Amino acid sequence: DAGITQSPRHKVTETGTPVTLRCHQTENHRYMYWYRQDPGHGLRLIHYSYGVKDTDKGEVSDGYSVSRSKTEDFLLTLESATSSQTSVYFCAISEGSGGPYEQYFGPGTRLTVT
Amino acid sequence: GQNIDQPTEMTATEGAIVQINCTYQTSGFNGLFWYQQHAGEAPTFLSYNVLDGLEEKGRFSSFLSRSKGYSYLLLKELQMKDSASYLCAVMDSNYQLIWGAGTKLIIKP
Repeated sequence: DAGITQSPRHKVTETGTPVTLRCHQTENHRYMYWYRQDPGHGLRLIHYSYGVKDTDKGEVSDGYSVSRSKTEDFLLTLESATSSQTSVYFCAISEGSGGPYEQYFGPGTRLTVT
Repeated sequence: GQNIDQPTEMTATEGAIVQINCTYQTSGFNGLFWYQQHAGEAPTFLSYNVLDGLEEKGRFSSFLSRSKGYSYLLLKELQMKDSASYLCAVMDSNYQLIWGAGTKLIIKP
């Protein structure tokens, strides 16, 4: 299994508070991704990174920011959490950006915003 | 817009064969992926198709027709552990994965 961890694994927070989720990899893969998964929807890309300090927006980036100061760490910050951001968040990594480079996923973080 | 369609849920019997279909409309095409996701767990990679035809990998096979915007995942000799959601994803012209909502497969004894 690819070495990807996410922390925390579960979090409950209140509306309006900032929240930071961490993704850590030991595979030295260049690409890292943050997705959210909600019932009835496919995985939706929030932000991704193609190198240290190189990031770009995905499909649903509003209300989220990211940072990557080291190859192994990719942080996702909810600047002011809202109930619509209650979701399961997955981090993924890949060696390259195109096929056949599959993405390997972390175990996920279940976030509840009350 | 970009769209990936899969059936929401399917039921099959242990030992049987099941085919899970995926149709897509995307801006560009750079390959199609299938992932398996057990409840409460992360998705795991099953297969990748970029050329038309069938790719076989043990009990699992994946087929692609680019002209029809269509793929299927074929699971043979079903086992109870195959109960999971199966996610179809297409890599678009920007090398981003566009994901279907997934097909929940229920295996009955």
